[in-house]
Amino acid sequence: GENVEQHPSTLSVQEGDSAVIKCTYSDSASNYFPWYKQELGKRPQLIIDIRSNVGEKKDQRIAVTLNKTAKHFSLHITETQPEDSAVYFCAALWGGNNRLAFGKGNQVVVIP
Amino acid sequence: NAGVTQTPKFQVLKTGQSMTLQCAQDMNHNSMYWYRQDPGMGLRLIYYSASEGTTDKGEVPNGYNVSRLNKREFSLRLESAAPSQTSVYFCAGGYNEQFFGPGTRLTVL
Repeated sequence: GENVEQHPSTLSVQEGDSAVIKCTYSDSASNYFPWYKQELGKRPQLIIDIRSNVGEKKDQRIAVTLNKTAKHFSLHITETQPEDSAVYFCAALWGGNNRLAFGKGNQVVVIP
Repeated sequence: NAGVTQTPKFQVLKTGQSMTLQCAQDMNHNSMYWYRQDPGMGLRLIYYSASEGTTDKGEVPNGYNVSRLNKREFSLRLESAAPSQTSVYFCAGGYNEQFFGPGTRLTVL
């Protein structure tokens, strides 16, 4: 099956700085890579996704980049704000039945 | 639209008791999923249903059963709860993008 790994596990940044989270995946057939944000006590919610035919996608202060050759993709958050503090999960679609394999999550702490 | 709903929100069981977690969606998704979330472990797939009438095991199916009652509803049953099943359970629906329910926090004593 698909194996998704996230690094680092915890990331602290000063407000206004950028945060980058990197994920690697194992199945070269994976073609869809979403990122979910989970605030404390809440459900995971999709914030951005990318498909394998695209190298980069942006949505306001967040962006995702994909390197298919190296099998890694990254989440970039610019001009971080306190409300960006959350756990972020990357995932990869695999297996032909729309199953997502999730990474273990990154705790991002934005320091005011 | 309510999206994906789950009941109950909280539950405490004793070892050996049984219970069913309910999930319903009004988004007309064919695919539905059950995950468990444990600290430091991310989201792990228990069972999924690619369409009404079909179910398949995920990564951690032992100790659980599921029923896809109709297109809207997908329930998860614990026949004999164990402390290792203490977790937060999320139901989700969707194709590629998955929409999650609010979760059920289950404690097994």
